[in-house]
Amino acid sequence: GAVVSQHPSWVICKSGTSVKIECRSLDFQATTMFWYRQFPKQSLMLMATSNEGSKATYEQGVEKDKFLINHASLTLSTLTVTSAHPEDSSFYICSASPVVNTEAFFGQGTRLTVV
Amino acid sequence: GENVEQHPSTLSVQEGDSAVIKCTYSDSASNYFPWYKQELGKRPQLIIDIRSNVGEKKDQRIAVTLNKTAKHFSLHITETQPEDSAVYFCAATYTGRRALTFGSGTRLQVQP
Repeated sequence: GAVVSQHPSWVICKSGTSVKIECRSLDFQATTMFWYRQFPKQSLMLMATSNEGSKATYEQGVEKDKFLINHASLTLSTLTVTSAHPEDSSFYICSASPVVNTEAFFGQGTRLTVV
Repeated sequence: GENVEQHPSTLSVQEGDSAVIKCTYSDSASNYFPWYKQELGKRPQLIIDIRSNVGEKKDQRIAVTLNKTAKHFSLHITETQPEDSAVYFCAATYTGRRALTFGSGTRLQVQP
Protein backbone atom coordinates (compact mmCIF):
# COMPACT_ATOMS: atom_id res chain seq x y z
CA GLY A 1 0.00 0.00 0.00
CA ALA A 2 0.87 3.67 -0.12
CA VAL A 3 3.14 5.17 2.50
CA VAL A 4 2.55 8.29 4.54
CA SER A 5 5.35 9.35 6.84
CA GLN A 6 4.97 11.74 9.74
CA HIS A 7 7.71 13.39 11.72
CA PRO A 8 8.45 13.67 14.57
CA SER A 9 6.86 10.69 16.30
CA TRP A 10 6.90 12.49 19.60
CA VAL A 11 7.87 15.91 20.84
CA ILE A 12 7.98 17.64 24.19
CA CYS A 13 7.93 21.42 24.19
CA LYS A 14 7.57 24.24 26.65
CA SER A 15 4.44 26.35 26.93
CA GLY A 16 4.50 29.29 24.58
CA THR A 17 6.73 27.72 21.98
CA SER A 18 5.74 26.49 18.52
CA VAL A 19 6.03 23.00 17.15
CA LYS A 20 6.04 21.91 13.51
CA ILE A 21 4.85 18.48 12.42
CA GLU A 22 5.53 17.18 8.93
CA CYS A 23 3.43 14.78 6.88
CA ARG A 24 4.85 13.33 3.68
CA SER A 25 3.39 11.05 1.07
CA LEU A 26 6.38 8.96 0.03
CA ASP A 27 5.19 7.14 -3.07
CA PHE A 28 2.28 9.18 -4.38
CA GLN A 29 1.23 12.74 -4.84
CA ALA A 30 -1.40 14.11 -2.54
CA THR A 31 -3.16 17.32 -3.44
CA THR A 32 -5.18 16.90 -0.28
CA MET A 33 -4.09 15.73 3.14
CA PHE A 34 -6.02 15.61 6.39
CA TRP A 35 -5.00 16.41 9.93
CA TYR A 36 -6.69 14.68 12.84
CA ARG A 37 -6.37 14.98 16.57
CA GLN A 38 -6.88 12.06 18.89
CA PHE A 39 -7.25 12.30 22.67
CA PRO A 40 -6.49 9.23 24.79
CA LYS A 41 -9.04 6.49 24.30
CA GLN A 42 -11.05 8.66 21.94
CA SER A 43 -11.76 8.83 18.27
CA LEU A 44 -9.98 10.73 15.51
CA MET A 45 -11.40 14.20 15.11
CA LEU A 46 -10.80 15.97 11.83
CA MET A 47 -9.07 19.29 12.40
CA ALA A 48 -8.48 20.52 8.89
CA THR A 49 -8.10 19.65 5.25
CA SER A 50 -4.77 20.66 3.77
CA ASN A 51 -4.92 21.70 0.11
CA GLU A 52 -1.82 21.93 -2.03
CA GLY A 53 -1.30 25.45 -3.26
CA SER A 54 -4.24 26.97 -1.41
CA LYS A 55 -5.53 27.67 2.07
CA ALA A 56 -6.45 24.89 4.40
CA THR A 57 -10.05 24.28 5.33
CA TYR A 58 -10.60 24.13 9.07
CA GLU A 59 -13.35 22.31 10.90
CA GLN A 60 -15.66 24.24 13.14
CA GLY A 61 -14.05 25.07 16.45
CA VAL A 62 -10.46 24.68 15.27
CA GLU A 63 -8.45 27.89 15.53
CA LYS A 64 -6.67 28.48 12.25
CA ASP A 65 -4.23 30.92 13.83
CA LYS A 66 -3.36 28.34 16.43
CA PHE A 67 -2.91 25.43 14.07
CA LEU A 68 -1.13 26.69 10.97
CA ILE A 69 -1.20 24.40 7.98
CA ASN A 70 1.01 24.70 4.93
CA HIS A 71 0.82 22.40 1.91
CA ALA A 72 3.62 23.74 -0.26
CA SER A 73 4.18 20.69 -2.42
CA LEU A 74 2.31 17.63 -3.65
CA THR A 75 4.04 15.43 -1.08
CA LEU A 76 4.34 17.57 2.02
CA SER A 77 1.94 19.16 4.46
CA THR A 78 2.99 20.74 7.74
CA LEU A 79 1.03 21.50 10.87
CA THR A 80 2.46 24.10 13.21
CA VAL A 81 1.04 24.37 16.69
CA THR A 82 1.72 27.95 17.68
CA SER A 83 2.11 29.24 21.23
CA ALA A 84 1.50 25.76 22.54
CA HIS A 85 -0.27 25.22 25.85
CA PRO A 86 -0.67 22.07 27.93
CA GLU A 87 -4.21 21.61 26.61
CA ASP A 88 -2.72 21.23 23.13
CA SER A 89 -1.07 18.01 24.28
CA SER A 90 -2.50 15.25 22.13
CA PHE A 91 -1.84 12.73 19.37
CA TYR A 92 -1.85 14.40 15.98
CA ILE A 93 -2.10 12.25 12.89
CA CYS A 94 -2.27 12.97 9.18
CA SER A 95 -3.74 10.99 6.32
CA ALA A 96 -3.86 11.00 2.54
CA SER A 97 -5.26 8.85 -0.25
CA PRO A 98 -3.57 8.10 -3.58
CA VAL A 99 -6.98 8.01 -5.24
CA VAL A 100 -10.03 10.03 -4.26
CA ASN A 101 -12.56 8.19 -2.12
CA THR A 102 -10.39 5.17 -1.54
CA GLU A 103 -8.36 3.85 1.35
CA ALA A 104 -6.85 6.56 3.51
CA PHE A 105 -3.29 5.95 4.65
CA PHE A 106 -2.18 7.39 7.93
CA GLY A 107 1.11 8.72 9.16
CA GLN A 108 2.64 7.27 12.31
CA GLY A 109 1.20 10.09 14.36
CA THR A 110 2.92 12.63 16.58
CA ARG A 111 2.49 12.63 20.32
CA LEU A 112 2.80 16.22 21.48
CA THR A 113 3.37 16.98 25.15
CA VAL A 114 3.41 20.60 26.23
CA VAL A 115 4.96 21.22 29.63
CA GLY B 1 -22.52 17.23 8.39
CA GLU B 2 -22.04 13.51 8.76
CA ASN B 3 -22.37 11.90 12.17
CA VAL B 4 -21.26 8.34 12.82
CA GLU B 5 -22.26 6.47 15.96
CA GLN B 6 -20.53 3.26 16.99
CA HIS B 7 -21.46 0.57 19.50
CA PRO B 8 -20.36 -0.99 21.74
CA SER B 9 -17.53 1.08 23.16
CA THR B 10 -15.90 -2.01 24.65
CA LEU B 11 -16.27 -5.66 23.76
CA SER B 12 -14.70 -8.65 25.44
CA VAL B 13 -14.94 -12.10 23.85
CA GLN B 14 -13.34 -15.46 24.33
CA GLU B 15 -10.85 -16.66 21.77
CA GLY B 16 -12.70 -18.41 18.96
CA ASP B 17 -15.94 -16.53 19.48
CA SER B 18 -17.36 -13.98 17.05
CA ALA B 19 -17.39 -10.23 17.55
CA VAL B 20 -19.82 -7.76 16.04
CA ILE B 21 -19.45 -3.99 16.01
CA LYS B 22 -22.21 -1.74 14.71
CA CYS B 23 -22.26 1.75 13.28
CA THR B 24 -24.94 4.11 12.07
CA TYR B 25 -24.49 7.15 9.89
CA SER B 26 -26.63 10.19 9.30
CA ASP B 27 -25.80 11.47 5.82
CA SER B 28 -27.59 9.51 3.11
CA ALA B 29 -25.00 10.79 0.62
CA SER B 30 -22.26 8.72 2.27
CA ASN B 31 -21.15 5.93 -0.05
CA TYR B 32 -17.83 4.66 1.30
CA PHE B 33 -17.50 2.90 4.66
CA PRO B 34 -14.08 1.72 5.81
CA TRP B 35 -13.13 -0.02 9.03
CA TYR B 36 -9.81 0.67 10.71
CA LYS B 37 -7.90 -1.21 13.38
CA GLN B 38 -5.67 0.77 15.69
CA GLU B 39 -3.24 -0.80 18.11
CA LEU B 40 -2.04 1.20 21.07
CA GLY B 41 0.15 4.12 20.02
CA LYS B 42 0.08 3.15 16.37
CA ARG B 43 -1.54 4.42 13.22
CA PRO B 44 -4.96 3.16 12.09
CA GLN B 45 -4.79 0.43 9.48
CA LEU B 46 -7.58 -0.37 7.04
CA ILE B 47 -8.96 -3.87 7.53
CA ILE B 48 -11.95 -3.83 5.21
CA ASP B 49 -14.17 -1.38 3.41
CA ILE B 50 -17.48 -1.40 1.58
CA ARG B 51 -19.16 0.84 -0.93
CA SER B 52 -22.84 1.60 -1.10
CA ASN B 53 -23.41 -0.46 -4.23
CA VAL B 54 -22.92 -3.72 -2.33
CA GLY B 55 -24.55 -5.09 0.79
CA GLU B 56 -21.83 -7.38 2.08
CA LYS B 57 -18.12 -7.98 1.71
CA LYS B 58 -15.96 -10.68 3.21
CA ASP B 59 -12.24 -11.16 3.62
CA GLN B 60 -11.30 -14.37 5.42
CA ARG B 61 -12.44 -13.95 9.05
CA ILE B 62 -13.68 -10.41 8.57
CA ALA B 63 -16.94 -9.31 6.97
CA VAL B 64 -18.83 -6.07 6.70
CA THR B 65 -22.53 -5.64 6.00
CA LEU B 66 -24.28 -2.47 4.88
CA ASN B 67 -27.95 -1.55 5.10
CA LYS B 68 -28.41 1.68 3.16
CA THR B 69 -32.07 2.01 3.99
CA ALA B 70 -31.43 1.89 7.72
CA LYS B 71 -28.11 3.70 7.34
CA HIS B 72 -26.12 1.24 9.36
CA PHE B 73 -23.17 -1.02 8.76
CA SER B 74 -21.52 -3.69 10.84
CA LEU B 75 -18.16 -5.40 11.23
CA HIS B 76 -18.12 -9.13 11.91
CA ILE B 77 -15.01 -10.94 13.07
CA THR B 78 -15.24 -14.71 13.33
CA GLU B 79 -12.91 -17.12 15.13
CA THR B 80 -11.36 -14.27 17.07
CA GLN B 81 -7.72 -14.49 18.12
CA PRO B 82 -5.78 -12.59 20.81
CA GLU B 83 -4.04 -10.57 18.08
CA ASP B 84 -7.42 -9.18 17.09
CA SER B 85 -7.37 -7.20 20.34
CA ALA B 86 -7.27 -3.50 19.39
CA VAL B 87 -9.50 -0.50 18.92
CA TYR B 88 -11.72 -0.63 15.85
CA PHE B 89 -13.11 2.47 14.16
CA CYS B 90 -15.81 2.67 11.56
CA ALA B 91 -15.92 5.66 9.24
CA ALA B 92 -18.02 7.15 6.49
CA THR B 93 -17.55 9.58 3.66
CA TYR B 94 -18.92 10.35 0.22
CA THR B 95 -17.48 11.04 -3.18
CA GLY B 96 -16.20 14.59 -3.23
CA ARG B 97 -15.78 14.97 0.52
CA ARG B 98 -12.65 12.88 0.91
CA ALA B 99 -12.28 13.36 4.67
CA LEU B 100 -13.49 10.52 6.84
CA THR B 101 -15.91 10.93 9.72
CA PHE B 102 -15.02 8.38 12.35
CA GLY B 103 -17.13 6.57 14.88
CA SER B 104 -16.13 6.72 18.53
CA GLY B 105 -14.27 3.42 18.46
CA THR B 106 -14.70 -0.03 19.99
CA ARG B 107 -12.05 -1.54 22.23
CA LEU B 108 -12.06 -5.26 21.49
CA GLN B 109 -10.37 -7.60 23.89
CA VAL B 110 -10.02 -11.25 22.99
CA GLN B 111 -9.41 -13.41 26.03
CA PRO B 112 -7.18 -16.43 25.40
